[in-house]
Amino acid sequence: GENVEQHPSTLSVQEGDSAVIKCTYSDSASNYFPWYKQELGKGPQLIIDIRSNVGEKKDQRIAVTLNKTAKHFSLHITETQPEDSAVYFCAASRGGSYIPTFGRGTSLIVHP
Amino acid sequence: NAGVTQTPKFRVLKTGQSMTLLCAQDMNHEYMYWYRQDPGMGLRLIHYSVGEGTTAKGEVPDGYNVSRLKKQNFLLGLESAAPSQTSVYFCASRREGRTDTQYFGPGTRLTVL
Repeated sequence: GENVEQHPSTLSVQEGDSAVIKCTYSDSASNYFPWYKQELGKGPQLIIDIRSNVGEKKDQRIAVTLNKTAKHFSLHITETQPEDSAVYFCAASRGGSYIPTFGRGTSLIVHP
Repeated sequence: NAGVTQTPKFRVLKTGQSMTLLCAQDMNHEYMYWYRQDPGMGLRLIHYSVGEGTTAKGEVPDGYNVSRLKKQNFLLGLESAAPSQTSVYFCASRREGRTDTQYFGPGTRLTVL
């Protein structure tokens, strides 16, 4: 089955810096890669996703890149703000599958 | 449109007690999921359902049962709670089709003493 590795487990940055979280996956048939943000005491919420026919996607300060050959994808957050502090999860799934595979999460701390 | 709701938000049980967690969604989604979240373990799938009247086991199903009698509801039951089931439980749903975005509820924090 699919295996998703996520690094780092904890990331501490200063406000205004950039943050990068990386995930690798094992199943070359995976074609959908969402990123979720989980704020303290809440459920995860989708912040951005990418499909395998696209190499990069941006939405204001966040971007996701995908390298299908190397089987890894990354979340980039620029100009970090304290409200970006949260746990971020990556996931991978293949078309027709009911079940995404999640990474173990990255706790991002943005210091004011 | 409330999205995905979970009841209760918090619960404390004694070992051996039983309880049911309720998940409800008003988005007419076909698929529903129950996850547990423990420190350092990420989200682990307990059971899932691909439609009304169907259920299937996930990664960590032991000690839990589920039912999906109505499309909008997905119930998670603990017949005899154990301290190892102390966790935060999340329900999620998603629509059938190409888009695989899951919508998560706010979670239920369960403590088993």
